[in-house]
Amino acid sequence: AQSVTQLGSHVSVSEGALVLLRCNYSSSVPPYLFWYVQYPNQGLQLLLKYTSAATLVKGINGFEAEFKKSETSFHLTKPSAHMSDAAEYFCAVSEVDGGSQGNLIFGKGTKLSVKP
Amino acid sequence: EPEVTQTPSHQVTQMGQEVILRCVPISNHLYFYWYRQILGQKVEFLVSFYNNEISEKSEIFDDQFSVERPDGSNFTLKIRSTKLEDSAMYFCASSRGLAGADTQYFGPGTRLTVL
Repeated sequence: AQSVTQLGSHVSVSEGALVLLRCNYSSSVPPYLFWYVQYPNQGLQLLLKYTSAATLVKGINGFEAEFKKSETSFHLTKPSAHMSDAAEYFCAVSEVDGGSQGNLIFGKGTKLSVKP
Repeated sequence: EPEVTQTPSHQVTQMGQEVILRCVPISNHLYFYWYRQILGQKVEFLVSFYNNEISEKSEIFDDQFSVERPDGSNFTLKIRSTKLEDSAMYFCASSRGLAGADTQYFGPGTRLTVL
């Protein structure tokens, strides 16, 4: 069965500092992996996705994530945090090949705070 | 840019009442989904819908829940007899193709409060 683990329910960084949000997954078949962001009182917005092409995936707003099969990880990074990055971030996995219709399995989310 | 819309944004109901949550997916999308997020917990898959029928559902999606696409634009989630534990944020999503490789676009959610 698929699952996603996000380490750290709350991460706080200073403006301009590196952002690192951790995600580990388990999947019985090659996964599709996603990062979504949720700003207060808004829906989920796709940041980036991994679909078995390049292992380093670039997304919107300067975020990127690297798929590491050996570590079953898909950590999200951004070199320099901005105040507008404060939000909740969700990692998700999907297994289309597993007979699923592609429904997403989400992690518990990590709330990112950015200090001035 | 096209977006998924949901109404109402907040619904308050009494336990045992029926509620219908409405979604308008992106117009050329073929796959539709409902997810929910209980306060402080992870987003959970409820059901997927394609070609006018349920294609997959989770164990959460019991007989109290139903989905319908009553016309060419709306996609609804009905809860027949609400329980306190149904209080959550409900998200609708849609995708053009089979999700996984294709992006699921989410609506802003409906916050359901059951008293």
